Amino acid sequence: EIVMTQSPVTLSVSPGERATLSCRAGQSVGSNLAWYQQKPGQAPRLLIFGASTRATGIPARFSGSGSGTEFTLTISSLQSEDFAVYYCQQYNNWPHRFGGGTKVEIK
Amino acid sequence: EVQLVQSGAEVKKPGESLKISCKGSGYSLTNYWIGWVRQMPGTGLEWMGIIYLGDSDTKYSPSFEGHVTISADKSISTAYLQWSSLKASDTAMYYCARHKYSTSLHDAFAIWGQGTMVTVSS
Repeated sequence: EIVMTQSPVTLSVSPGERATLSCRAGQSVGSNLAWYQQKPGQAPRLLIFGASTRATGIPARFSGSGSGTEFTLTISSLQSEDFAVYYCQQYNNWPHRFGGGTKVEIK
Repeated sequence: EVQLVQSGAEVKKPGESLKISCKGSGYSLTNYWIGWVRQMPGTGLEWMGIIYLGDSDTKYSPSFEGHVTISADKSISTAYLQWSSLKASDTAMYYCARHKYSTSLHDAFAIWGQGTMVTVSS
């Protein structure tokens, strides 16, 4: 199994600031990496797939980068609706494990 | 609208059996992989397993294999997750989710169900 490690666990950011979230894979997953956003009481929502492709309807302030074992999700200017928990997921090998999540909270 | 509709919340006692469902609405799931994801209270997402509705090919996470059974009925575009003997530790929200592209074996989850809360308590 490929272990996915996200950092930091919690990120405190002021509205309008940039947020940078990291995800590390225990072995190479190529570009088979997705990012999801989950708000309290809601199902997760796909933000990014293929490490860098935004899903339908996702604002341009969300961007993904990386390949192999190191990945980054950047939110260029945080809006109030962006405060949530973010998960990465590798889908290169079974099982398609998720990382532990990063909570983005208001500073 | 393309969506996945899950069965309602369940309250069960330890040792009881349970089968929850996930149905495609507005389209057929026959050519898609449908996965199940567990979220225990206050914790993160855990990938449990996945099934291809076309032929019921199933993959399990080692963490869940033997503890749950994933099945499907393609004639009604429905996937299932079942337990033969529930434990208190099975208390969680369970989500089904569909791969982004049809027939794609390794893919992100583009469509999610609303979740089914399962509570196991004596």
